[in-house]
Amino acid sequence: EIVLTQSPGTLSLSPGERATLSCRASQSISNSYLIWYQQKSGQAPRLLIYGASRRATGIPDRFSGSGSATDFTLTIARLEPEDFAVYYCQQHGSSPYTFGQGTKLEMK
Amino acid sequence: EVQLAQSGAEVKKPGDSLKISCKGSGYRFSDYWIGWVRQMPGRGLDWMGIIFPGDHYPGQSNVVYSPSFKDQVTISVDKSISTAYLHWSSLKASDTATYYCARWFVRGDPIGFDPWGQGTLVTVSS
Repeated sequence: EIVLTQSPGTLSLSPGERATLSCRASQSISNSYLIWYQQKSGQAPRLLIYGASRRATGIPDRFSGSGSATDFTLTIARLEPEDFAVYYCQQHGSSPYTFGQGTKLEMK
Repeated sequence: EVQLAQSGAEVKKPGDSLKISCKGSGYRFSDYWIGWVRQMPGRGLDWMGIIFPGDHYPGQSNVVYSPSFKDQVTISVDKSISTAYLHWSSLKASDTATYYCARWFVRGDPIGFDPWGQGTLVTVSS
């Protein structure tokens, strides 16, 4: 089973700042099958990024993903108030399709 | 609009059985895998398993379980009513969580879980 480790656990930033979230895999993820989700309090997760770097439909271009093999990054260029949430990565290179433990992005 | 509508919150006792549901609408239900994800209170997301509602091929299973959940739950589907299910035969207090269903979206390449149901809160307490 591939273990995904996200860092930091919590990130405290202000609106307008740049956020960089990391997701590291215990083994290489085939085909860059890495997804990012956003979960706001009390809501279901929402798909943001798939294939490591492709934005899902309707996702603002301030969100971007990068990386390959074992190291992946989600970047939010200029934080908006609605971006403060928990972010999860998920791999689907091999079953089970595991999630990372999440990074909480909180407002400073 | 593609939607997944889950059944309502449940309060059960340890040892009870339970089946929760997830009804798809706005798309051809049989064409896409449906997955289940657990979220324990204040915790992250746990991938439980995934099922394909359409016809499967001889010798191939249309259900894949995470090893952590195999033998703990049963995932099933009734494609005639576009509904997937998650079933427990004997609940434990540690099954207290919100359970989400989600469509595994593929458009040529796999995309991911999109959309998600609203979640079903299951509380197991004596």
